[in-house]
Amino acid sequence: GENVEQHPSTLSVQEGDSAVIKCTYSDSASNYFPWYKQELGKGPQLIIDIRSNVGEKKDQRIAVTLNKTAKHFSLHITETQPEDSAVYFCAAAGSNKLTFGGGTRVLVKP
Amino acid sequence: KAGVTQTPRYLIKTRGQQVTLSCSPISGHRSVSWYQQTPGQGLQFLFEYFSETQRNKGNFPGRFSGRQFSNSRSEMNVSTLELGDSALYLCASSLTGGQQETQYFGPGTRLLVL
Repeated sequence: GENVEQHPSTLSVQEGDSAVIKCTYSDSASNYFPWYKQELGKGPQLIIDIRSNVGEKKDQRIAVTLNKTAKHFSLHITETQPEDSAVYFCAAAGSNKLTFGGGTRVLVKP
Repeated sequence: KAGVTQTPRYLIKTRGQQVTLSCSPISGHRSVSWYQQTPGQGLQFLFEYFSETQRNKGNFPGRFSGRQFSNSRSEMNVSTLELGDSALYLCASSLTGGQQETQYFGPGTRLLVL
């Protein structure tokens, strides 16, 4: 089955700096890659996603890149703000289910 | 449009008991998936229902079961609870469960087994 690895597990950045989270996946049949943000006491919330026919997607301060050949995708957050502090999960979709990475706890220091 | 709702939000049970959790998907969504979230294992897929049929299943023992009703609402049941079943149980809905469809998550039900 699909296996998704996510790095780093924790990330501390200064407010205004950029944050980058990287994920690799194993199943070449996966073709949809969402990113979720989870705040304390809440369920995961979709922040951006990318489909396999696209190499890069941007939404304001958030961007995602996908390299299908290398089977890896990354989340980039620019100009980080304290409200970006949360746990971020990458996922790969195949066969009607999502396989998640282990999560990255991001702390933005003011 | 209302989001995914889950009830109850918190639950405390003892070993050996059984529990039923409920999920109401976003209006118009017909696919409901369930996930277990624990600090050690992360987010793991339990099963997915579409049109009242289980369409996909993760690697969990038979103590974990679910069903979906004609209005797309779903329930999951865990029988003979074990300490290790303590977790946040998340429900997610999508239109038809297609591979490239966005799944929207509810707030979860936090289950504590004593």
